Amino acid sequence: DIQMTQSPSSLSASVGDRVTITCRASQTITTYLNWYQQKPGKVPNLLIYGASSLQSGVPSRFSGSGSGTDFTLTISSLQPEDFATYHCQQSYSNPYTFGQGTKLEIK
Amino acid sequence: QVQLQESGPGLVKPSQTLSLTCTVSGGSISSDGYYWNWVRQHPGGGLEWIGYIYDSGETRYNPSLRSRVTISIDTSKNHFSLELSSVTAADTAVYYCARVASLGKVPNSVYYYYYGMDVWGQGTTVTVS
Repeated sequence: DIQMTQSPSSLSASVGDRVTITCRASQTITTYLNWYQQKPGKVPNLLIYGASSLQSGVPSRFSGSGSGTDFTLTISSLQPEDFATYHCQQSYSNPYTFGQGTKLEIK
Repeated sequence: QVQLQESGPGLVKPSQTLSLTCTVSGGSISSDGYYWNWVRQHPGGGLEWIGYIYDSGETRYNPSLRSRVTISIDTSKNHFSLELSSVTAADTAVYYCARVASLGKVPNSVYYYYYGMDVWGQGTTVTVS
């Protein structure tokens, strides 16, 4: 199985901050990497696919980059509604594993 | 707009079979190009992909669960189902159904596409006790 490791596991930041979350795969997944946002008690929501393509309806302050084994999700200017848990997922091979999640909290 | 809704018992006894159904509304489960998935989330934990089914009946399962999982589809009822046998407390989780869609072509590729879970059900909590 491909292991997905996110860092940090949790992060405190303020509204307006620029935030970066990292996801590392245990082997190459080229650009088959998705990012999801999950607010407390809510359903995951697809933000980014193909490592860097923004899903329809997602604000442009979200961006993704990376290829191979190392990927990042960046929020350029945090908004109050962005405080949530973020999950990366590889869609390269079965099983389609997720990272453990990064909880983004208000400082 | 397609919506998914999980249904099934919230409490299952150890060693029994967990059975859930995901009803698709606002669209046909036979629409071309979609994969119908089950995902679970343990309390306080990350997400775990369980498996998917295509409208043709083709299935793929997570190898860690393959011996206990069956996913089936009923196109006449526009729903698909999950069965997980021989459950233990470790199977206690929120179970989601989700649609995987083709989202865009891989650059410089004719045949390859990116896929992601673009529609999710609300989730249902299943406790094994």
